Amino acid sequence: AQSVTQLGSHVSVSEGALVLLRCNYSSSVPPYLFWYVQYPNQGLQLLLKYTTGATLVKGINGFEAEFKKSETSFHLTKPSAHMSNAAEYFCAVGLTSYQKVTFGTGTKLQVIP
Amino acid sequence: DADVTQTPRNRITKTGKRIMLECSQTKGHDRMYWYRQDPGLGLRLIYYSFDVKDINKGEISDGYSVSRQAQAKFSLSLESAIPNQTALYFCATSLSGQKRYNEQFFGPGTRLTVL
Repeated sequence: AQSVTQLGSHVSVSEGALVLLRCNYSSSVPPYLFWYVQYPNQGLQLLLKYTTGATLVKGINGFEAEFKKSETSFHLTKPSAHMSNAAEYFCAVGLTSYQKVTFGTGTKLQVIP
Repeated sequence: DADVTQTPRNRITKTGKRIMLECSQTKGHDRMYWYRQDPGLGLRLIYYSFDVKDINKGEISDGYSVSRQAQAKFSLSLESAIPNQTALYFCATSLSGQKRYNEQFFGPGTRLTVL
């Protein structure tokens, strides 16, 4: 079975500052990893995903995440926060394409002007 | 645009009532899912369907039932609604196949309040 832990249910950053949202996973086999974003009153949309190959993954809106097997982590970063990045972010893990995906509890990002 | 739609978007009902939430998709995806979202608990899977004849319980299926009427339609029913089923409900879809990795596409959600 797989699981995912997001550290920090709320994160606040100043506009222009680095965004770092933490995600650790537990998996018995190499996982697939995802970050989704949820803007207010909307569904989730995919930011980026890691499947195989390059461990640094680039997504939309300047976000990226690095798969670190030794640390079982998949942290999300963005060099410079923008007000429009205020949203809730979910990390998710899957084992194979034939099994369901497990979502973390989410991290709400607040961007302070 | 190919999309995932949910009806209704908002619903207020009373304890004991039967409620149906509907999901339709034009993406041509074979897999469909129902999740509920509660503050601090993230998304929890209620039911999922990998094709029309394949329906599976998720982690919190008690009190819910589903129907996959067609590849494009997946409905969630609350047979006798109770207040702790008040939540935001999401439908999602994905496409099976090699190298699809179960990436999911979400509808806009249904906010259900049970009084």
